[in-house]
Amino acid sequence: RKEVEQDPGPFNVPEGATVAFNCTYSNSASQSFFWYRQDCRKEPKLLMSVYSSGNEDGRFTAQLNRASQYISLLIRDSKLSDSATYLCVVNYGGATNKLIFGTGTLLAVQP
Amino acid sequence: NAGVTQTPKFRILKIGQSMTLQCTQDMNHNYMYWYRQDPGMGLKLIYYSVGAGITDKGEVPNGYNVSRSTTEDFPLRLELAAPSQTSVYFCASQRGGSYNEQFFGPGTRLTVL
Repeated sequence: RKEVEQDPGPFNVPEGATVAFNCTYSNSASQSFFWYRQDCRKEPKLLMSVYSSGNEDGRFTAQLNRASQYISLLIRDSKLSDSATYLCVVNYGGATNKLIFGTGTLLAVQP
Repeated sequence: NAGVTQTPKFRILKIGQSMTLQCTQDMNHNYMYWYRQDPGMGLKLIYYSVGAGITDKGEVPNGYNVSRSTTEDFPLRLELAAPSQTSVYFCASQRGGSYNEQFFGPGTRLTVL
């Protein structure tokens, strides 16, 4: 089983749609959770951290369910500029702060 | 504030050649990391450093070496390049603390022929 699993997509959605990405992780001791965004041929950049209580940043909402070891990202009112690969990322914590990356979910927003 | 910079952006190597990928950060971060990303795959950790003079292996260290003589610089050395090392290499840095963001450089696209 992969340490962090995501649906690779692609997700093809029209502008204005709501789209949800899911992610599961295998290490129950994981400490922190993130969604990173990676544009084509670019470096990953932090989109948002994910907290147990859930958190929202504009059109983006992230949720964490520690009991089910499940993370989600909801994008409302999709824009063309949201087209990218969304990476689910888990930090095991400890002295090294190593990040474990999912393979990413590709989103293509169509006009 | 340039963040994390990497050189070169692109490189083609012949099998058996060696090279050093440069990485510099100007944010005074203690933690630095080297990843490789193959098509359709997640980022895999090659080596990491928790401070100057301290380095350790990640998930896929074979064929690579690193050093960390200063806080700012974390070069990655490829010895005896092989086609399996064709990949995109990202360097990243982090202030420390599991809730902090990792900042990535723009990447180096390496092809070994």
